[in-house]
Amino acid sequence: DAGVIQSPRHEVTEMGQEVTLRCKPISGHDYLFWYRQTMMRGLELLIYFNNNVPIDDSGMPEDRFSAKMPNASFSTLKIQPSEPRDSAVYFCASRLGAGETQYFGPGTRLLVL
Amino acid sequence: LAKTTQPISMDSYEGQEVNITCSHNNIATNDYITWYQQFPSQGPRFIIQGYKTKVTNEVASLFIPADRKSSTLSLPRVSLSDTAVYYCLVGDENNFNKFYFGSGTKLNVKP
Repeated sequence: DAGVIQSPRHEVTEMGQEVTLRCKPISGHDYLFWYRQTMMRGLELLIYFNNNVPIDDSGMPEDRFSAKMPNASFSTLKIQPSEPRDSAVYFCASRLGAGETQYFGPGTRLLVL
Repeated sequence: LAKTTQPISMDSYEGQEVNITCSHNNIATNDYITWYQQFPSQGPRFIIQGYKTKVTNEVASLFIPADRKSSTLSLPRVSLSDTAVYYCLVGDENNFNKFYFGSGTKLNVKP
């Protein structure tokens, strides 16, 4: 399997622009997670899905952030409008079933100017 | 929330055994202890998981005392490629809102 795929790998945008990050989980995995990593706050869980349904979005920083999972093989994390403090590396992870480990993607490095 | 405390950084030399200890005083009965490894510009990668006593796999060993308030990740005979950040996580894999990665331990392996 190709593992968790994220795109783009790098994104540079200007403040106020909409940013969409994409994730393709490992085939067959029924959990999908979005994380954000910064030097100041470390790795934070933003939201996770089970069978395409959002289960817990308590980590989403504010209404500017939204995530969707229209099907089992695709998820998006959208930031609108983006702000400089959103600059971070965003990871997507997936796993198969309860009690199993998570497999992380390579991340998207976002820079908001 | 079962947060964890780890040393910020550690230095070692190639061929040595490295032990990284993690404190988790508020660990709950249903919580497992999981360690991840992260290389620069990559996502974290699962290393090992345990509940109590000792767990060993092809990569590392995990030692957990009876009170489970701490755990020690042991890496045998490290190489330069083991230079990475190591995260200790404590939680119930069915309650992800309680998962906390923390800042991890930056292991620097020198030649």
